Amino acid sequence: ETGVTQTPRHLVMGMTNKKSLKCEQHLGHNAMYWYKQSAKKPLELMFVYSLEERVENNSVPSRFSPECPNSSHLFLHLHTLQPEDSALYLCASSQEIGGGGNEQFFGPGTRLTVL
Amino acid sequence: GQNIDQPTEMTATEGAIVQINCTYQTSGFNGLFWYQQHAGEAPTFLSYNVLDGLEEKGRFSSFLSRSKGYSYLLLKELQMKDSASYLCAVTDSNYQLIWGAGTKLIIKP
Repeated sequence: ETGVTQTPRHLVMGMTNKKSLKCEQHLGHNAMYWYKQSAKKPLELMFVYSLEERVENNSVPSRFSPECPNSSHLFLHLHTLQPEDSALYLCASSQEIGGGGNEQFFGPGTRLTVL
Repeated sequence: GQNIDQPTEMTATEGAIVQINCTYQTSGFNGLFWYQQHAGEAPTFLSYNVLDGLEEKGRFSSFLSRSKGYSYLLLKELQMKDSASYLCAVTDSNYQLIWGAGTKLIIKP
């Protein structure tokens, strides 16, 4: 495996379910990100981790819970979601957090549908 | 507030040239990125500008004017595979990446 991988690619869940999204990066990067992408809206940054420490939490509802057990893996735990949470959830990584040429490498995303 | 503006959709003809504009108002500036995103796929990095001027990379070029808060992505010799969304993103003074909503580019034969 190379780059950034995400599983599952598609997920349908009811509002009372609990599920988890998984992201893995094989690039040796120190920073990882969760984004939400809704149609015709800018990417919404949800969480940022640097060396397994959370450095950013952009007022995300508590029904989304991130976990970063090591610098290569990132999880997003989901519970009691709402239909408006249906979106594409993208994971990304970069060498470091910050400006300069720290381009982000994205995974293919998980298409989430909440019924 | 912080804001990135880019056109929602553009149409161009195969073989032609198209320019996608991006204007930004952010608290500070530490660089501007362009990404390409094909439908149903992950965004992929195209270019990065931090100084004024034009950066050329094959058929794609990106321009930046910091004084005007303005950038454009220029695509030459358009191919059908260039049909995609193009995302503009700016790194602000806190090194947070602020994203535009993207420009959907439709290429017609």
